[in-house]
Amino acid sequence: AQKVTQAQTEISVVEKEDVTLDCVYETRDTTYYLFWYKQPPSGELVFLIRRNSFDEQNEISGRYSWNFQKSTSSFNFTITASQVVDSAVYFCALSEAFGYSSASKIIFGSGTRLSIRP
Amino acid sequence: DTAVSQTPKYLVTQMGNDKSIKCEQNLGHDTMYWYKQDSKKFLKIMFSYNNKELIINETVPNRFSPKSPDKAHLNLHINSLELGDSAVYFCASSQEGLSGNTIYFGEGSWLTVV
Repeated sequence: AQKVTQAQTEISVVEKEDVTLDCVYETRDTTYYLFWYKQPPSGELVFLIRRNSFDEQNEISGRYSWNFQKSTSSFNFTITASQVVDSAVYFCALSEAFGYSSASKIIFGSGTRLSIRP
Repeated sequence: DTAVSQTPKYLVTQMGNDKSIKCEQNLGHDTMYWYKQDSKKFLKIMFSYNNKELIINETVPNRFSPKSPDKAHLNLHINSLELGDSAVYFCASSQEGLSGNTIYFGEGSWLTVV
Protein backbone atom coordinates (compact mmCIF):
# COMPACT_ATOMS: atom_id res chain seq x y z
CA ALA A 1 0.00 0.00 0.00
CA GLN A 2 1.09 3.52 -0.70
CA LYS A 3 1.42 5.89 2.17
CA VAL A 4 2.89 9.29 2.91
CA THR A 5 3.63 10.34 6.48
CA GLN A 6 4.29 13.86 7.62
CA ALA A 7 4.85 13.40 11.31
CA GLN A 8 5.14 17.12 12.06
CA THR A 9 1.63 18.50 12.37
CA GLU A 10 2.69 22.04 13.15
CA ILE A 11 5.97 23.90 13.24
CA SER A 12 6.53 27.44 14.40
CA VAL A 13 9.82 29.27 13.98
CA VAL A 14 11.05 32.80 14.09
CA GLU A 15 11.75 34.55 10.83
CA LYS A 16 15.20 33.90 9.34
CA GLU A 17 15.51 30.53 11.01
CA ASP A 18 16.01 27.46 8.86
CA VAL A 19 13.31 24.83 9.04
CA THR A 20 13.02 21.29 7.70
CA LEU A 21 9.76 19.56 6.96
CA ASP A 22 9.92 15.79 7.09
CA CYS A 23 8.28 13.37 4.70
CA VAL A 24 8.46 9.60 4.78
CA TYR A 25 6.76 7.45 2.18
CA GLU A 26 5.91 3.82 1.56
CA THR A 27 5.49 2.19 -1.81
CA ARG A 28 6.13 -1.13 -3.50
CA ASP A 29 6.54 0.50 -6.90
CA THR A 30 10.04 0.76 -8.29
CA THR A 31 9.05 3.78 -10.32
CA TYR A 32 7.28 6.57 -8.53
CA TYR A 33 7.24 10.31 -8.14
CA LEU A 34 7.35 12.50 -5.09
CA PHE A 35 5.96 15.99 -4.82
CA TRP A 36 5.72 18.93 -2.51
CA TYR A 37 2.79 21.33 -2.63
CA LYS A 38 2.25 24.53 -0.69
CA GLN A 39 -1.16 25.71 0.51
CA PRO A 40 -0.98 29.32 1.72
CA PRO A 41 -3.75 30.84 3.85
CA SER A 42 -5.58 31.87 0.68
CA GLY A 43 -6.24 28.18 0.10
CA GLU A 44 -4.90 27.34 -3.33
CA LEU A 45 -2.53 24.41 -3.85
CA VAL A 46 0.76 25.43 -5.38
CA PHE A 47 3.09 22.91 -6.95
CA LEU A 48 6.67 23.23 -5.69
CA ILE A 49 8.64 20.26 -6.94
CA ARG A 50 8.48 16.81 -8.48
CA ARG A 51 11.19 14.21 -8.11
CA ASN A 52 11.27 10.79 -9.75
CA SER A 53 12.47 7.68 -7.98
CA PHE A 54 15.58 7.36 -10.12
CA ASP A 55 16.93 10.77 -9.31
CA GLU A 56 18.33 11.10 -5.82
CA GLN A 57 20.14 14.32 -6.46
CA ASN A 58 19.28 17.02 -4.02
CA GLU A 59 17.57 20.04 -5.49
CA ILE A 60 17.91 23.67 -4.55
CA SER A 61 15.67 26.47 -5.67
CA GLY A 62 16.45 29.75 -3.99
CA ARG A 63 15.78 29.33 -0.29
CA TYR A 64 14.13 25.97 -0.84
CA SER A 65 15.97 22.67 -0.96
CA TRP A 66 14.90 19.07 -1.07
CA ASN A 67 16.72 15.99 0.17
CA PHE A 68 15.58 12.70 -1.36
CA GLN A 69 16.97 9.54 0.21
CA LYS A 70 15.63 6.21 -1.05
CA SER A 71 17.51 4.32 1.65
CA THR A 72 15.29 5.90 4.29
CA SER A 73 12.26 6.51 2.03
CA SER A 74 12.37 10.17 2.85
CA PHE A 75 11.89 13.34 0.87
CA ASN A 76 12.54 16.23 3.22
CA PHE A 77 12.06 19.90 2.45
CA THR A 78 14.20 22.65 3.96
CA ILE A 79 13.53 26.36 3.90
CA THR A 80 16.54 28.48 4.75
CA ALA A 81 16.24 31.98 6.13
CA SER A 82 12.50 31.57 6.50
CA GLN A 83 10.16 34.48 5.85
CA VAL A 84 6.66 35.26 7.03
CA VAL A 85 5.38 34.62 3.50
CA ASP A 86 6.49 31.01 3.86
CA SER A 87 3.71 30.46 6.38
CA ALA A 88 1.46 27.81 4.86
CA VAL A 89 0.49 24.18 5.02
CA TYR A 90 2.96 22.05 3.10
CA PHE A 91 1.98 18.71 1.64
CA CYS A 92 4.25 15.92 0.58
CA ALA A 93 2.75 13.56 -1.97
CA LEU A 94 3.47 10.30 -3.79
CA SER A 95 2.32 9.32 -7.25
CA GLU A 96 1.45 5.82 -8.35
CA ALA A 97 0.42 4.66 -11.79
CA PHE A 98 -3.12 3.41 -12.17
CA GLY A 99 -4.60 1.30 -14.87
CA TYR A 100 -3.87 1.18 -18.55
CA SER A 101 -4.04 4.88 -19.05
CA SER A 102 -1.45 5.54 -16.38
CA ALA A 103 -3.64 8.17 -14.82
CA SER A 104 -1.71 9.39 -11.84
CA LYS A 105 -3.21 8.96 -8.44
CA ILE A 106 -1.40 11.31 -6.13
CA ILE A 107 -1.59 10.36 -2.48
CA PHE A 108 -1.04 13.19 -0.06
CA GLY A 109 0.41 13.29 3.40
CA SER A 110 -1.59 14.97 6.12
CA GLY A 111 0.35 18.20 5.77
CA THR A 112 2.57 20.27 8.04
CA ARG A 113 1.37 23.69 9.09
CA LEU A 114 4.33 26.03 9.12
CA SER A 115 4.08 29.35 10.93
CA ILE A 116 6.84 31.89 10.61
CA ARG A 117 6.79 34.52 13.37
CA PRO A 118 8.17 37.97 12.67
CA ASP B 1 -5.17 33.26 -17.55
CA THR B 2 -6.13 30.78 -14.89
CA ALA B 3 -4.94 27.32 -15.88
CA VAL B 4 -7.51 25.34 -13.88
CA SER B 5 -10.61 27.30 -12.98
CA GLN B 6 -13.55 26.17 -10.95
CA THR B 7 -16.82 27.83 -10.04
CA PRO B 8 -18.26 28.75 -7.70
CA LYS B 9 -15.48 29.51 -5.26
CA TYR B 10 -17.86 29.67 -2.33
CA LEU B 11 -21.15 27.84 -1.98
CA VAL B 12 -23.45 27.79 1.03
CA THR B 13 -26.50 25.60 0.71
CA GLN B 14 -29.04 23.72 2.78
CA MET B 15 -29.12 20.04 3.48
CA GLY B 16 -30.99 18.08 0.87
CA ASN B 17 -30.23 20.43 -1.98
CA ASP B 18 -28.52 19.45 -5.21
CA LYS B 19 -25.54 21.50 -6.36
CA SER B 20 -22.87 21.48 -9.04
CA ILE B 21 -19.30 22.66 -9.21
CA LYS B 22 -17.84 23.34 -12.62
CA CYS B 23 -14.23 22.97 -13.66
CA GLU B 24 -12.35 23.91 -16.79
CA GLN B 25 -8.69 23.66 -17.69
CA ASN B 26 -6.91 25.44 -20.52
CA LEU B 27 -3.64 23.55 -20.24
CA GLY B 28 -4.49 21.03 -22.95
CA HIS B 29 -4.23 18.21 -20.41
CA ASP B 30 -6.07 14.97 -21.02
CA THR B 31 -6.68 13.97 -17.41
CA MET B 32 -8.77 15.75 -14.83
CA TYR B 33 -9.48 15.06 -11.16
CA TRP B 34 -11.63 15.95 -8.23
CA TYR B 35 -10.05 16.00 -4.78
CA LYS B 36 -11.77 16.65 -1.47
CA GLN B 37 -10.07 18.44 1.41
CA ASP B 38 -11.76 18.04 4.78
CA SER B 39 -11.66 20.33 7.78
CA LYS B 40 -8.42 18.74 8.97
CA LYS B 41 -6.78 19.60 5.65
CA PHE B 42 -6.64 15.98 4.56
CA LEU B 43 -6.66 15.70 0.76
CA LYS B 44 -8.20 12.67 -0.89
CA ILE B 45 -8.83 11.85 -4.52
CA MET B 46 -12.44 11.29 -5.50
CA PHE B 47 -12.45 10.84 -9.27
CA SER B 48 -10.19 10.95 -12.28
CA TYR B 49 -11.15 11.21 -15.94
CA ASN B 50 -8.85 10.60 -18.87
CA ASN B 51 -10.16 11.87 -22.22
CA LYS B 52 -13.71 11.89 -20.86
CA GLU B 53 -13.42 8.34 -19.55
CA LEU B 54 -13.73 7.58 -15.84
CA ILE B 55 -10.44 6.09 -14.67
CA ILE B 56 -10.37 6.47 -10.91
CA ASN B 57 -13.47 6.23 -8.75
CA GLU B 58 -12.66 6.08 -5.10
CA THR B 59 -15.20 5.05 -2.50
CA VAL B 60 -17.48 8.02 -2.85
CA PRO B 61 -21.25 8.04 -2.18
CA ASN B 62 -23.47 7.69 -5.24
CA ARG B 63 -24.75 11.16 -4.51
CA PHE B 64 -21.55 12.43 -6.13
CA SER B 65 -21.58 12.22 -9.90
CA PRO B 66 -18.81 13.60 -12.08
CA LYS B 67 -19.47 14.51 -15.68
CA SER B 68 -16.91 15.23 -18.36
CA PRO B 69 -18.43 16.67 -21.55
CA ASP B 70 -14.97 17.02 -23.07
CA LYS B 71 -11.43 16.63 -21.89
CA ALA B 72 -11.19 20.28 -20.84
CA HIS B 73 -14.15 20.11 -18.47
CA LEU B 74 -15.00 18.02 -15.45
CA ASN B 75 -18.04 18.98 -13.44
CA LEU B 76 -19.10 17.59 -10.09
CA HIS B 77 -22.76 17.22 -9.23
CA ILE B 78 -23.82 16.43 -5.69
CA ASN B 79 -27.34 15.27 -4.87
CA SER B 80 -29.09 15.44 -1.52
CA LEU B 81 -26.32 17.34 0.20
CA GLU B 82 -25.44 16.35 3.75
CA LEU B 83 -23.65 18.23 6.51
CA GLY B 84 -20.64 15.95 6.09
CA ASP B 85 -20.21 17.09 2.51
CA SER B 86 -18.93 20.42 3.76
CA ALA B 87 -15.36 20.63 2.52
CA VAL B 88 -13.14 22.23 -0.05
CA TYR B 89 -13.34 20.55 -3.43
CA PHE B 90 -10.34 20.89 -5.71
CA CYS B 91 -10.38 20.26 -9.40
CA ALA B 92 -7.05 19.40 -11.00
CA SER B 93 -5.53 18.32 -14.27
CA SER B 94 -2.42 16.64 -15.60
CA GLN B 95 -0.98 15.45 -18.86
CA GLU B 96 -0.58 11.71 -18.65
CA GLY B 97 1.87 9.55 -20.48
CA LEU B 98 4.21 8.65 -17.72
CA SER B 99 3.34 7.79 -14.18
CA GLY B 100 3.50 10.73 -11.88
CA ASN B 101 3.03 13.69 -14.14
CA THR B 102 2.47 16.82 -12.16
CA ILE B 103 -1.08 17.61 -11.15
CA TYR B 104 -2.10 21.25 -11.25
CA PHE B 105 -4.93 22.34 -9.01
CA GLY B 106 -7.68 24.89 -9.28
CA GLU B 107 -8.26 27.37 -6.49
CA GLY B 108 -10.81 25.24 -4.73
CA SER B 109 -14.53 25.48 -4.09
CA TRP B 110 -15.55 25.97 -0.47
CA LEU B 111 -18.80 24.11 0.07
CA THR B 112 -20.72 24.67 3.30
CA VAL B 113 -23.86 22.67 3.95
CA VAL B 114 -26.13 24.08 6.66
